[in-house]
Amino acid sequence: EIVMTQSPATLSVSPGERATLSCRASQSVSSDLAWYQQKPGQAPRLLIYGASNTATGMPVRFSGSGSGTEFTLTISSLRSEDFGVYYCQHYNSWPHTFGQGTRLEI
Amino acid sequence: VQLVESGGGVVQPGRSLRLSCAASGFSFSIYGMHWVRLAPGKGLEWVAVIWNDGSNKYYADSVNGRFIISRDNSKNTLYLQMNSLRDEDTAVYYCARASGAFDFWGQGALVTVSS
Repeated sequence: EIVMTQSPATLSVSPGERATLSCRASQSVSSDLAWYQQKPGQAPRLLIYGASNTATGMPVRFSGSGSGTEFTLTISSLRSEDFGVYYCQHYNSWPHTFGQGTRLEI
Repeated sequence: VQLVESGGGVVQPGRSLRLSCAASGFSFSIYGMHWVRLAPGKGLEWVAVIWNDGSNKYYADSVNGRFIISRDNSKNTLYLQMNSLRDEDTAVYYCARASGAFDFWGQGALVTVSS
């Protein structure tokens, strides 16, 4: 099983600032990596797929990078509605494990 | 695209429950489908997957042998049969459509395992 490790666990950022979230895989997942945003009481929402492709309808301030074992989600200019928990997930092999999440506080 | 889960509720340990996920707005029969859960105070946990034609299924170790994923493409519906439920199965259960990444999710069904 591939273990996904996210850092930091919690990130506090002010509106307008840049936020950088990290995700590391215990072995290579190529570019089979997605990022999701989840707010309390809501379903997760796909932000990034294929490590760097922004999902349809997602704001351009969200971007992803990386391949292999190291990945980054960047939010270029934070807005108040960006609070929530962010998860990375690989879909390279079974099981499609998630990271433990990064809580983004505005 | 719409995914709507149903069948959640309160159940005693050791008992069974079946979740359903009704799909609409897309060609259900050409997509693999997943179940994912979110336990209180925990992160997302992938639970199970079923191929578009039902030919293959995979499970997380935590539910393997107790949960069964299935689908009825004629009814555009995904199922999760949960047997021998444990306290640690308490969670919100989401169905999700797979296109590699999980691009659409249902709103979730709450399952509470408690005596």
